[in-house]
Amino acid sequence: GESVGLHLPTLSVQEGDNSIINCAYSNSASDYFIWYKQESGKGPQFIIDIRSNMDKRQGQRVTVLLNKTVKHLSLQIAATQPGDSAVYFCAEMTTDSWGKLQFGAGTQVVVTP
Amino acid sequence: DGGITQSPKYLFRKEGQNVTLSCEQNLNHDAMYWYRQDPGQGLRLIYYSQIVNDFQKGDIAEGYSVSREKKESFPLTVTSAQKNPTAFYLCASSIGTGINEQFFGPGTRLTVL
Repeated sequence: GESVGLHLPTLSVQEGDNSIINCAYSNSASDYFIWYKQESGKGPQFIIDIRSNMDKRQGQRVTVLLNKTVKHLSLQIAATQPGDSAVYFCAEMTTDSWGKLQFGAGTQVVVTP
Repeated sequence: DGGITQSPKYLFRKEGQNVTLSCEQNLNHDAMYWYRQDPGQGLRLIYYSQIVNDFQKGDIAEGYSVSREKKESFPLTVTSAQKNPTAFYLCASSIGTGINEQFFGPGTRLTVL
């Protein structure tokens, strides 16, 4: 069936470096994507979203890139900080799915000093 | 403060007992959702509600029940029919269904002994 998944289960990044977290999706009908950050024992927090009519969107220290041709999504975090250590999920939705988000398994980001 | 609250944070129950998890939101959101998260996995949708007095099954509804008698409340009951109830349960809400950000509560960790 259709699914959303992540390439790397764990990403180790040195403090101050940039992080890139990747996500592959298989549903070509997906037209909305969200990145969430989840710290241990807490609920997911919204980071940034992007609609399928865009290929790039920037927030504070974060950038999401969408490549619909290869069905690939990435989250870039600039100048990674210790507080960025968490699990990052991508989730996708189709316009006709009444708000149902399909989540990937997540990538654990570990920031080292 | 506006937000979503879940209680309790930790819950322990004996096998065979029903247990109800609370979810309250004061965001005036129409839509509410329940997800289950298992270790190292993404979120899976249990039930969702688009409006008061209406709810629909998600991907893994078996062994669970919900009610939506008030806009701000969406309690989840984990019944004895749920074969593997130990998990982290997350409640979310959004303005409406469709392309809208979902806001998550802090979660309830249920352990069945």
